[in-house]
Amino acid sequence: NAGVTQTPKFRVLKTGQSMTLLCAQDMNHEYMYWYRQDPGMGLRLIHYSVGEGTTAKGEVPDGYNVSRLKKQNFLLGLESAAPSQTSVYFCASSWALGPYEQYFGPGTRLTVT
Amino acid sequence: QQQVKQSPQSLIVQKGGISIINCAYENTAFDYFPWYQQFPGKGPALLIAIRPDVSEKKEGRFTISFNKSAKQFSLHIMDSQPGDSATYFCAASLGGGTSYGKLTFGQGTILTVHP
Repeated sequence: NAGVTQTPKFRVLKTGQSMTLLCAQDMNHEYMYWYRQDPGMGLRLIHYSVGEGTTAKGEVPDGYNVSRLKKQNFLLGLESAAPSQTSVYFCASSWALGPYEQYFGPGTRLTVT
Repeated sequence: QQQVKQSPQSLIVQKGGISIINCAYENTAFDYFPWYQQFPGKGPALLIAIRPDVSEKKEGRFTISFNKSAKQFSLHIMDSQPGDSATYFCAASLGGGTSYGKLTFGQGTILTVHP
């Protein structure tokens, strides 16, 4: 089992460019999440999905969009990147909401210049 | 209030010492308190977790102490080893409502264990 994988690992964008981050999990989890990690701020939830075809906003959703067309994949899109979106992005998945372990991917380091 | 406040921001411990990281929360509706461990260049991984119906949980050298009345919980790492050097995050999730089950993370603590 690969667990949770993320592509790409690194990316540099210019302000205003767009990109999509891909997350894939092979654990048949219903729930998937996108977080961003910034120094001194922990991990903050951007968007999450409770199943194929459903998405919901998290704590910091502005400037991001997501899609979950297949159960195993969760895409995070930046339509017009801004320097404030420079961060490390983590995808996670879990069997259910609540007191269940979230399994994290290795992260994508994004720099917006 | 769904904040979780974590301290210290960084911690240096000698090999064999005890590492202690503290977290405090305001929302009494939190009902699940996990700790995640993150090594450089990796994603966080669950280390240990506790529910509010117990005051302490121990797994090997790692112990969570939970004080419901003070709304605080802490991670104790006994006999700290250089391999424990990592960033540690506390977190909490709500037992109900529209934010049910989603984790709120603390700010993180960078632990360095010197040999």
